Amino acid sequence: DTAVSQTPKYLVTQMGNDKSIKCEQNLGHDTMYWYKQDSKKFLKIMFSYNNKELIINETVPNRFSPKSPDKAHLNLHINSLELGDSAVYFCASSQDLGADGYTFGSGTRLTVV
Amino acid sequence: DAKTTQPNSMESNEEEPVHLPCNHSTISGTDYIHWYRQLPSQGPEYVIHGLTSNVNNRMASLAIAEDRKSSTLILHRATLRDAAVYYCIPYNDYKLSFGAGTTVTVRA
Repeated sequence: DTAVSQTPKYLVTQMGNDKSIKCEQNLGHDTMYWYKQDSKKFLKIMFSYNNKELIINETVPNRFSPKSPDKAHLNLHINSLELGDSAVYFCASSQDLGADGYTFGSGTRLTVV
Repeated sequence: DAKTTQPNSMESNEEEPVHLPCNHSTISGTDYIHWYRQLPSQGPEYVIHGLTSNVNNRMASLAIAEDRKSSTLILHRATLRDAAVYYCIPYNDYKLSFGAGTTVTVRA
């Protein structure tokens, strides 16, 4: 069983479309995260939820909206996709806000054409 | 956020130890030091973390300087599967902020 699973693994879409990426963890963790890794390979945190409550909201365009229906899921919805949104998006989870480490998913490669 | 400085790249021979240095001179007294690695086309993977004492696990050892301004990740016997980008990250404000990391190449 994959601990942190993301779907889809690849996503190719046109500019202006709206898309969602889903993330699920089966580790019983209470905190989940979204990271973005751009073409230069820098990993930047976008959002974090603890027990379904938003606790980290970095400087991200409001076209990006996370949703956490329960502790095991954190989805990322992106409106009006732009070319610059092309990147690999990683979901992660941790227990107790992450002091003991995160578990990352394998990523979703988003390509906007 | 505390800043870290790591070498851009390091090379090692298979079966030899690898010592990866990290400077984090602005780290606060309560920030844990985390190390992660990212293999090609994969998500980051937790390696080890510590606060003040040296730490060991099945993957690696972490040696933390007494003044906590630097640390060294030690891979005891490098294998080809250890080729990855290694990140040293002070954990603070409930998040991990990744830097550029060190790209480790392992020669057969």
